[in-house]
Amino acid sequence: EDQVTQSPEALRLQEGESSSLNCSYTVSGLRGLFWYRQDPGKGPEFLFTLYSAGEEKEKERLKATLTKKESFLHITAPKPEDSATYLCAGQTGANNLFFGTGTRLTVIP
Amino acid sequence: DAGVTQSPTHLIKTRGQQVTLRCSPKSGHDTVSWYQQALGQGPQFIFQYYEEEERQRGNFPDRFSGHQFPNYSSELNVNALLLGDSALYLCASSFDRATGELFFGEGSRLTVL
Repeated sequence: EDQVTQSPEALRLQEGESSSLNCSYTVSGLRGLFWYRQDPGKGPEFLFTLYSAGEEKEKERLKATLTKKESFLHITAPKPEDSATYLCAGQTGANNLFFGTGTRLTVIP
Repeated sequence: DAGVTQSPTHLIKTRGQQVTLRCSPKSGHDTVSWYQQALGQGPQFIFQYYEEEERQRGNFPDRFSGHQFPNYSSELNVNALLLGDSALYLCASSFDRATGELFFGEGSRLTVL
């Protein structure tokens, strides 16, 4: 059964305190691993796509990495505007996205 | 350039009623997918429309149906509403039916009483 598990469920960081979010997956025929950001009351916003183990992508204070079983979203020196729910999703051979339940990040000034 | 637009933004229905939600994709996109997001959960795939046909379907009953029009806009219909259908319904569009890079609308919040 396809499964995407994210941890922790919630994370509170002080501004400038770096950390990582975890996404472990068991998805048969994985075509890609995706990270999205979702603000309250909004739809998810695309951040990154990773296709193969060892791949890394960066955008501002965020860096996503991929292994054969996990993906990490590293947040370096976060700011309050980074507060959001971060969703991880696997894309199966069926071309739809299988989302985890997300990590709710709060960055305190 | 307008992104993905959905209507209505909020609606309240009672059990057994029917609802229709609407979506206009981002300009240049021809593929529309619908997702259901319950409170505190990640989005769950309902179905995908391309060339006016349902191409893929997630694990949702036949009470959930859809349509895509020639201008690529789409509707999601839910019949015989249940309390458990209360959720945020998200429409996402893409320029390629095989891509996972989706552009989401802000959703339609459905409450079933």
